[in-house]
Amino acid sequence: AQKITQTQPGMFVQEKEAVTLDCTYDTSDPSYGLFWYKQPSSGEMIFLIYQGSYDQQNATEGRYSLNFQKARKSANLVISASQLGDSAMYFCAMREPNQGGKLIFGQGTELSVKP
Amino acid sequence: GAGVSQSPSNKVTEKGKDVELRCDPISGHTALYWYRQSLGQGLEFLIYFQGNSAPDKSGLPSDRFSAERTGGSVSTLTIQRTQQEDSAVYLCASSQAPRGNQPQHFGDGTRLSIL
Repeated sequence: AQKITQTQPGMFVQEKEAVTLDCTYDTSDPSYGLFWYKQPSSGEMIFLIYQGSYDQQNATEGRYSLNFQKARKSANLVISASQLGDSAMYFCAMREPNQGGKLIFGQGTELSVKP
Repeated sequence: GAGVSQSPSNKVTEKGKDVELRCDPISGHTALYWYRQSLGQGLEFLIYFQGNSAPDKSGLPSDRFSAERTGGSVSTLTIQRTQQEDSAVYLCASSQAPRGNQPQHFGDGTRLSIL
């Protein structure tokens, strides 16, 4: 069964607008962590933001924020004031404590920012 | 401070040959991970090392794949008798103790092409 689902293979957004990238997950463990990574065309994986399952507030890092809805098992990434440099693949990933440290990744969403 | 270093950056080899991919993690990081990314796909977990514990090999796709980590630092991923389906980008990551909000930091990957 797919543990991490990203339903948007591709997204377009106008420069300076906000965009939401969807991520749903499946776990029976009450303790888990959710991560978002950015992968530009150059290939490196860049860590963006983390949300712990017990965190009371939605995570924020600069222009990135997480819309964490635990009951719905969703952790959508919101990018505000999009920039041309935000064009990249975005991956949602989950870590479960009983699985060691490994991350389970979704299939990714390709974001294109239009000038 | 140096990030995760992987070599070679690109490797082209003939089907049936053995290849070795190297990963040098961030100094002080006790956890090391190997992932594989096929074209247009998310990351697939291969193997995970944590300190002196036995590695988690649950993601290795066949017995042609093996990895070792010497002295708790540098790791080598070996693929024997390569097949065309082994063509992918192999990514290495490291982190501090794999718990809580510790993100994995990725290298730039080795792009492996099997002719």
